[in-house]
Order: sequence, then structure tokens, then C-alpha cells
Amino acid sequence: DTAVSQTPKYLVTQMGNDKSIKCEQNLGHDTMYWYKQDSKKFLKIMFSYNNKELIINETVPNRFSPKSPDKAHLNLHINSLELGDSAVYFCASSQGSGKRGIPLRSYEQYFGPGTRLTVT
Amino acid sequence: AQSVTQPDIHITVSEGASLELRCNYSYGATPYLFWYVQSPGQGLQLLLKYFSGDTLVQGIKGFEAEFKRSQSSFNLRKPSVHWSDAAEYFCAVAHRMTTDSWGKLQFGAGTQVVVTP
Repeated sequence: DTAVSQTPKYLVTQMGNDKSIKCEQNLGHDTMYWYKQDSKKFLKIMFSYNNKELIINETVPNRFSPKSPDKAHLNLHINSLELGDSAVYFCASSQGSGKRGIPLRSYEQYFGPGTRLTVT
Repeated sequence: AQSVTQPDIHITVSEGASLELRCNYSYGATPYLFWYVQSPGQGLQLLLKYFSGDTLVQGIKGFEAEFKRSQSSFNLRKPSVHWSDAAEYFCAVAHRMTTDSWGKLQFGAGTQVVVTP
């Protein structure tokens, strides 16, 4: 069973278009993330949601809008795509914290296979 | 500011030889450290992690890493590499879970490992 899945795996589109990437996790985790990996393989966090609430927004252009319909899903919608948006986008999830504190395993993130976005 | 440095962008190693990948970090508190591996066209897989305790940690696929606080390092090692170990390796530090960081991972730039016959 796939723990963290993303669709589509590949996405080729033209500048100016709007596109969405979907992410689902079946691990029962509370926290989900979006990372961007650029052409030099550098990984940087974009967003994080905990229990459907936005926690981290790392100065990402507002053309990027994450949406979490429930704890198991975190989708990424991108408006007015630009050439510089071409990258591999990774979704990840972790257990998150609870009322009794933060177990160390909450720091372990599990990644999806990635979505390679090419903007032409 | 927190940072993670992987000094080696690219390493070539013969199959059966030993491998060591370097990672240095800068973090104000005791770091939570991770090594991930990314095979070509694949996502990231967690190899091992360090939170506290024994400074030598064992991971999957025969990898181990040693945390050295005095050197701010967390180097990854494998005694004998296999051709399937050819991949990109990332060291990462987790930020503490506060209201604005929520355990986000900060990655190094990665080290590409090439395995020759």
C-alpha cells in the first residue's frame, strides 16, 4: 500500500495556466507538507498543514494556494504558472503533535514520489 | 541561523568499497538529524535519524551515521556499497515544533553518489 501518494506524477503545461497537484496519505498522520525541489536538487519547504490548519507558509508567492479538505489530503493549486515554477514538488506527512506533547516520531516525515512540473 | 552543509556535491565509489558522506549543521539547540536517500526518479526515503542517546545510529540498507556534537557533524557511512546505492543523499535538520516552524526539515544541498563496477 502506498503511504503517501501524489497525482499526477508528471505535469507539462504552458505559462499562464492554472494547475493542481493532489496528495493523499493513508498513514493516519496529522501534519502534511509541500516541498519544492529545484533543478539543482535543492529541497525547500513551502507549506505545512496540521489538522487542516495552515502552520507554515514559507514566503511562497500567493499564486500557490494549498488546500486541505481533510487530514489525509493536501492539494496544491498554482495559478498563472511561470517558467520558474518548473520543479519537482514533494508532499510529505508526519504524525504531528498531540495534547500530551510532541513525540519524537512527529519529526519523521514520509515523502511521496513527487510531481515533476514542467512549464513551457 | 540554522543551516545544513554537505561539502561534497558528488562522490564516486567502487562497488564493494566503503562510503562516507559528510554533513555539518548549525543549530542552536540539540539537533534532530536525518539522512534521506533519493533514487533516480523517486521520492525521498528515510535512511536513519538521530534524536538523542547513542551517537552511532543504525539505519536501513546497511547505513549508519555518527553524531559528533564537538564537530557539529552527522556523517553517513556504509562499509561496502552496492550498485543500488547510487542515488542522491540528503542530510536534514528538523526545526523544533513551535507555532511557526512546526518541525519543518531544512535540507543540505545533497551529495550524488555514483557507484562504479
